[in-house]
Amino acid sequence: SQKIEQNSEALNIQEGKTATLTCNYTNYSPAYLQWYRQDPGRGPVFLLLIRENEKEKRKERLKVTFDTTLKQSLFHITASQPADSATYLCALDDGTASKLTFGTGTRLQVTL
Amino acid sequence: EPEVTQTPSHQVTQMGQEVILRCVPISNHLYFYWYRQILGQKVEFLVSFYNNEISEKSEIFDDQFSVERPDGSNFTLKIRSTKLEDSAMYFCASATGPMNTEAFFGQGTRLTVV
Repeated sequence: SQKIEQNSEALNIQEGKTATLTCNYTNYSPAYLQWYRQDPGRGPVFLLLIRENEKEKRKERLKVTFDTTLKQSLFHITASQPADSATYLCALDDGTASKLTFGTGTRLQVTL
Repeated sequence: EPEVTQTPSHQVTQMGQEVILRCVPISNHLYFYWYRQILGQKVEFLVSFYNNEISEKSEIFDDQFSVERPDGSNFTLKIRSTKLEDSAMYFCASATGPMNTEAFFGQGTRLTVV
């Protein structure tokens, strides 16, 4: 069956360090993968999109990698700040481009 | 900055009643979506809408659900006869292209069925 797995346990990290979040998938062949941020009681906010022919994408302090062989994406936040504390969602397409399928998300807590 | 607007922010309804959740997508967007998130669970796809018709719908989107774009600006989700298990946060999203482009989500409507 198809699965998108993100660490269900919260990731606690000290301010200034790099946070690395993992998204693994099985039985998908996505053409692209997206990362979103979600704050409690709010809608997802788009962060980055990476396509299957791209190995890495960067935006300010954010970096995403996409390994279609390992079926994994890594999401990095460098120089993390308490304001980065949120749940981060991985989402990918199922080949139809008509919808996104989301992972359960990983909660990141950045402390001083 | 343009945003997707959803109303109401919170709706409480009795089981069996009809509800309409409203969304105003970003004005130049052509693709529209509804997703839902049951408390503590993942965001789930309900339906996609393009060119005034449904592009795709999930198993959740059964005959009790319908969508409409009545006037070129609003995008609505109707649940005909609500069930307790319909209680969730419902998110509308819009995009300029299909889901291989950035999607903009609204802040959601929290639906509570009692």
